[in-house]
Amino acid sequence: DSGVTQTPKHLITATGQRVTLRCSPRSGDLSVYWYQQSLDQGLQFLIQYYNGEERAKGNILERFSAQQFPDLHSELNLSSLELGDSALYFCASSPESDRTVSGANVLTFGAGSRLTVL
Amino acid sequence: GNSVTQMEGPVTLSEEAFLTINCTYTATGYPSLFWYVQYPGEGLQLLLKATKADDKGSNKGFEATYRKETTSFHLEKGSVQVSDSAVYFCALSDQTGANNLFFGTGTRLTVIP
Repeated sequence: DSGVTQTPKHLITATGQRVTLRCSPRSGDLSVYWYQQSLDQGLQFLIQYYNGEERAKGNILERFSAQQFPDLHSELNLSSLELGDSALYFCASSPESDRTVSGANVLTFGAGSRLTVL
Repeated sequence: GNSVTQMEGPVTLSEEAFLTINCTYTATGYPSLFWYVQYPGEGLQLLLKATKADDKGSNKGFEATYRKETTSFHLEKGSVQVSDSAVYFCALSDQTGANNLFFGTGTRLTVIP
């Protein structure tokens, strides 16, 4: 158990629908990251939050949004779902926001939420 | 920009064989480099890391050396086991401050008894 908890583990929904994925970071970690893993795109960084504020943005679609709450858990909202959104969505957490010289700010990943859009 | 190029898989080896998975990178400045492993049905786990040139990361018999002159971070293990079967990802975090990782495409390793 990595200490990063993601729910649900599996989710099947239809095109056009909206889903919310939840992530609880490892105890003490202030940064949360979302990644999408698909067969054709590999692992893509979506977005990072640090202590409730957006810190960095990657290849996140406008139909997707995220937030980090005061208790540091994060939610990734995916709307107007398309077939191509089917993927594994990983959450990761780290203690700090930025890369450290020592490389100590290592990401710890959760087990992922598998989304299937039919 | 930042990118990681990783050896295409899948790789199939017999138990106790020598493993090399090649990884090269493009980045500005001096990135930190990582190898993550993903076992079936699980999330990614950090295997090893190196934060500056000539650093060697090692863990569980795996090693990788940060080579700035060849922009490489090849993963090696002298004698693989069936339990090493997994997907291996090379990754970098750049110097721009934000800590997000750029991943290679992953290499699936299968070790047969």
